[in-house]
Amino acid sequence: AQSVTQPDIHITVSEGASLELRCNYSYGATPYLFWYVQSPGQGLQLLLKYFSGDTLVQGIKGFEAEFKRSQSSFNLRKPSVHWSDAAEYFCAVSGATNKLIFGTGTLLAVQP
Amino acid sequence: DAMVIQNPRYQVTQFGKPVTLSCSQTLNHNVMYWYQQKSSQAPKLLFHYYDKDFNNEADTPDNFQSRRPNTSFCFLDIRSPGLGDAAMYLCATSNPGRTGSAFFGQGTRLTVV
Repeated sequence: AQSVTQPDIHITVSEGASLELRCNYSYGATPYLFWYVQSPGQGLQLLLKYFSGDTLVQGIKGFEAEFKRSQSSFNLRKPSVHWSDAAEYFCAVSGATNKLIFGTGTLLAVQP
Repeated sequence: DAMVIQNPRYQVTQFGKPVTLSCSQTLNHNVMYWYQQKSSQAPKLLFHYYDKDFNNEADTPDNFQSRRPNTSFCFLDIRSPGLGDAAMYLCATSNPGRTGSAFFGQGTRLTVV
Protein backbone atom coordinates (compact mmCIF):
# COMPACT_ATOMS: atom_id res chain seq x y z
CA ALA A 1 0.00 0.00 0.00
CA GLN A 2 1.10 3.53 -0.69
CA SER A 3 1.83 5.56 2.42
CA VAL A 4 3.94 8.30 3.90
CA THR A 5 5.24 8.35 7.45
CA GLN A 6 6.40 11.41 9.28
CA PRO A 7 7.57 10.07 12.61
CA ASP A 8 7.87 13.43 14.35
CA ILE A 9 4.51 15.00 15.17
CA HIS A 10 6.01 18.07 16.80
CA ILE A 11 9.53 19.53 16.74
CA THR A 12 10.90 22.60 18.51
CA VAL A 13 14.16 24.20 17.44
CA SER A 14 15.93 27.39 18.38
CA GLU A 15 16.18 30.18 15.86
CA GLY A 16 19.42 29.81 13.92
CA ALA A 17 19.70 26.10 14.61
CA SER A 18 19.68 23.49 11.88
CA LEU A 19 16.57 21.48 11.08
CA GLU A 20 15.85 18.04 9.71
CA LEU A 21 12.32 16.72 9.26
CA ARG A 22 12.00 13.05 8.54
CA CYS A 23 9.86 11.39 5.90
CA ASN A 24 9.62 7.76 4.87
CA TYR A 25 7.44 6.50 2.07
CA SER A 26 6.06 3.28 0.71
CA TYR A 27 5.29 3.29 -2.99
CA GLY A 28 5.29 0.50 -5.54
CA ALA A 29 6.65 2.42 -8.50
CA THR A 30 9.10 5.28 -8.91
CA PRO A 31 7.71 7.94 -6.64
CA TYR A 32 7.32 11.63 -7.09
CA LEU A 33 8.10 13.22 -3.72
CA PHE A 34 7.13 16.58 -2.34
CA TRP A 35 7.38 18.75 0.73
CA TYR A 36 4.64 21.28 1.40
CA VAL A 37 4.37 23.88 4.15
CA GLN A 38 1.13 25.11 5.69
CA SER A 39 0.77 28.17 7.90
CA PRO A 40 -2.27 28.29 10.22
CA GLY A 41 -5.52 28.73 8.31
CA GLN A 42 -3.77 28.73 4.96
CA GLY A 43 -3.42 26.44 1.99
CA LEU A 44 -0.37 24.37 1.15
CA GLN A 45 2.71 25.88 -0.42
CA LEU A 46 5.14 23.70 -2.35
CA LEU A 47 8.66 23.85 -0.91
CA LEU A 48 10.36 21.41 -3.25
CA LYS A 49 9.87 18.28 -5.29
CA TYR A 50 11.77 15.27 -6.54
CA PHE A 51 10.89 13.56 -9.79
CA SER A 52 14.22 12.12 -10.93
CA GLY A 53 17.90 12.96 -11.38
CA ASP A 54 20.00 14.57 -8.67
CA THR A 55 18.91 13.15 -5.34
CA LEU A 56 19.58 16.40 -3.50
CA VAL A 57 16.95 18.96 -4.42
CA GLN A 58 16.87 22.59 -3.54
CA GLY A 59 13.66 24.39 -2.73
CA ILE A 60 12.38 27.77 -1.74
CA LYS A 61 13.13 29.56 1.53
CA GLY A 62 16.52 27.85 1.86
CA PHE A 63 15.15 24.32 2.23
CA GLU A 64 16.64 21.22 0.66
CA ALA A 65 15.76 17.54 0.70
CA GLU A 66 17.62 14.37 -0.11
CA PHE A 67 16.05 11.33 -1.75
CA LYS A 68 17.51 8.05 -0.52
CA ARG A 69 15.97 5.15 -2.38
CA SER A 70 17.70 2.51 -0.23
CA GLN A 71 16.09 3.98 2.88
CA SER A 72 12.78 5.02 1.25
CA SER A 73 13.36 8.43 2.74
CA PHE A 74 13.02 12.04 1.66
CA ASN A 75 14.15 14.16 4.61
CA LEU A 76 13.84 17.92 4.60
CA ARG A 77 16.68 20.08 5.89
CA LYS A 78 17.51 23.69 6.52
CA PRO A 79 20.87 24.86 7.88
CA SER A 80 19.54 27.82 9.88
CA VAL A 81 15.92 28.17 10.93
CA HIS A 82 14.13 31.51 11.04
CA TRP A 83 11.17 32.35 13.27
CA SER A 84 9.02 32.66 10.14
CA ASP A 85 9.59 28.96 9.40
CA ALA A 86 7.22 27.98 12.21
CA ALA A 87 4.43 26.09 10.45
CA GLU A 88 3.26 22.58 9.66
CA TYR A 89 5.23 20.58 7.13
CA PHE A 90 3.77 17.80 5.04
CA CYS A 91 5.66 15.22 3.05
CA ALA A 92 3.74 13.69 0.14
CA VAL A 93 4.17 11.06 -2.54
CA SER A 94 2.42 10.64 -5.85
CA GLY A 95 2.64 8.89 -9.18
CA ALA A 96 1.88 9.98 -12.70
CA THR A 97 -1.66 11.10 -11.85
CA ASN A 98 -0.31 13.47 -9.20
CA LYS A 99 -2.82 12.23 -6.63
CA LEU A 100 -0.99 13.22 -3.49
CA ILE A 101 -0.78 10.95 -0.48
CA PHE A 102 0.24 12.98 2.53
CA GLY A 103 1.97 12.15 5.75
CA THR A 104 0.38 13.26 8.98
CA GLY A 105 2.56 16.34 9.17
CA THR A 106 5.21 17.74 11.48
CA LEU A 107 4.44 20.87 13.42
CA LEU A 108 7.55 23.04 13.75
CA ALA A 109 7.91 25.53 16.58
CA VAL A 110 10.82 27.98 16.63
CA GLN A 111 12.14 29.31 19.92
CA PRO A 112 13.75 32.75 20.00
CA ASP B 1 -0.22 36.07 -11.22
CA ALA B 2 -1.48 32.65 -12.15
CA MET B 3 -3.13 31.06 -9.20
CA VAL B 4 -5.79 28.93 -7.59
CA ILE B 5 -8.58 30.88 -5.91
CA GLN B 6 -11.11 29.49 -3.49
CA ASN B 7 -14.29 31.23 -2.42
CA PRO B 8 -15.36 31.85 0.18
CA ARG B 9 -12.44 31.62 2.62
CA TYR B 10 -14.85 30.95 5.47
CA GLN B 11 -18.28 29.37 5.19
CA VAL B 12 -20.78 28.71 7.93
CA THR B 13 -23.71 26.46 7.09
CA GLN B 14 -26.52 24.85 9.02
CA PHE B 15 -26.70 21.16 9.69
CA GLY B 16 -28.35 19.53 6.69
CA LYS B 17 -28.39 22.65 4.50
CA PRO B 18 -26.70 22.17 1.12
CA VAL B 19 -23.56 24.18 0.58
CA THR B 20 -21.31 24.81 -2.41
CA LEU B 21 -17.65 25.73 -2.34
CA SER B 22 -15.95 27.10 -5.42
CA CYS B 23 -12.49 26.98 -6.92
CA SER B 24 -11.10 28.74 -9.95
CA GLN B 25 -7.70 28.57 -11.60
CA THR B 26 -5.77 30.67 -14.07
CA LEU B 27 -3.06 28.04 -14.57
CA ASN B 28 -4.94 26.21 -17.34
CA HIS B 29 -4.17 22.90 -15.66
CA ASN B 30 -5.89 19.72 -16.79
CA VAL B 31 -6.43 18.26 -13.35
CA MET B 32 -8.36 19.72 -10.42
CA TYR B 33 -8.56 18.11 -7.00
CA TRP B 34 -10.61 18.52 -3.84
CA TYR B 35 -9.05 17.62 -0.52
CA GLN B 36 -10.63 17.58 2.91
CA GLN B 37 -8.42 18.46 5.86
CA LYS B 38 -9.79 18.03 9.35
CA SER B 39 -8.17 19.69 12.30
CA SER B 40 -4.59 18.51 12.93
CA GLN B 41 -4.83 15.91 10.16
CA ALA B 42 -3.32 15.44 6.74
CA PRO B 43 -5.30 16.46 3.67
CA LYS B 44 -7.36 13.61 2.27
CA LEU B 45 -8.29 13.40 -1.40
CA LEU B 46 -12.04 13.36 -2.05
CA PHE B 47 -12.04 13.31 -5.86
CA HIS B 48 -10.40 14.80 -8.88
CA TYR B 49 -11.18 15.77 -12.46
CA TYR B 50 -8.85 14.97 -15.32
CA ASP B 51 -10.32 17.39 -17.86
CA LYS B 52 -13.98 16.42 -17.78
CA ASP B 53 -13.44 12.94 -16.41
CA PHE B 54 -14.56 12.64 -12.81
CA ASN B 55 -12.65 10.31 -10.49
CA ASN B 56 -14.10 9.59 -7.09
CA GLU B 57 -12.04 8.11 -4.26
CA ALA B 58 -13.50 4.86 -3.01
CA ASP B 59 -14.12 6.11 0.52
CA THR B 60 -15.60 9.52 -0.35
CA PRO B 61 -19.13 9.70 1.06
CA ASP B 62 -22.04 10.11 -1.36
CA ASN B 63 -22.87 13.33 0.43
CA PHE B 64 -20.00 14.95 -1.48
CA GLN B 65 -20.40 15.82 -5.14
CA SER B 66 -18.43 17.88 -7.60
CA ARG B 67 -18.92 19.75 -10.83
CA ARG B 68 -16.46 21.10 -13.35
CA PRO B 69 -18.34 23.20 -15.92
CA ASN B 70 -15.15 24.31 -17.67
CA THR B 71 -11.36 24.17 -17.36
CA SER B 72 -11.18 27.09 -14.98
CA PHE B 73 -13.86 26.28 -12.42
CA CYS B 74 -14.61 23.41 -10.09
CA PHE B 75 -17.28 23.19 -7.39
CA LEU B 76 -17.66 21.05 -4.31
CA ASP B 77 -21.25 20.39 -3.28
CA ILE B 78 -22.09 18.98 0.13
CA ARG B 79 -25.71 17.86 -0.08
CA SER B 80 -26.49 17.51 3.62
CA PRO B 81 -23.62 18.72 5.79
CA GLY B 82 -23.16 17.03 9.12
CA LEU B 83 -21.09 18.17 12.06
CA GLY B 84 -18.39 15.75 10.98
CA ASP B 85 -17.97 17.58 7.69
CA ALA B 86 -16.55 20.65 9.38
CA ALA B 87 -13.08 20.95 7.93
CA MET B 88 -10.77 22.92 5.68
CA TYR B 89 -11.47 22.13 2.03
CA LEU B 90 -8.52 22.55 -0.28
CA CYS B 91 -8.64 22.81 -4.03
CA ALA B 92 -5.55 22.00 -6.06
CA THR B 93 -4.60 21.87 -9.71
CA SER B 94 -1.86 20.22 -11.72
CA ASN B 95 -0.86 18.97 -15.10
CA PRO B 96 -0.22 15.26 -15.05
CA GLY B 97 3.14 13.57 -15.15
CA ARG B 98 6.64 14.74 -14.46
CA THR B 99 5.97 18.43 -14.83
CA GLY B 100 2.86 18.42 -12.73
CA SER B 101 3.32 19.62 -9.20
CA ALA B 102 0.03 20.37 -7.48
CA PHE B 103 -0.74 24.00 -6.68
CA PHE B 104 -3.15 24.65 -3.83
CA GLY B 105 -5.63 27.37 -3.12
CA GLN B 106 -5.90 29.05 0.26
CA GLY B 107 -8.71 26.76 1.31
CA THR B 108 -12.25 27.24 2.57
CA ARG B 109 -12.87 26.68 6.27
CA LEU B 110 -16.32 25.14 6.63
CA THR B 111 -18.19 25.35 9.92
CA VAL B 112 -21.43 23.42 10.44
CA VAL B 113 -23.80 24.71 13.11
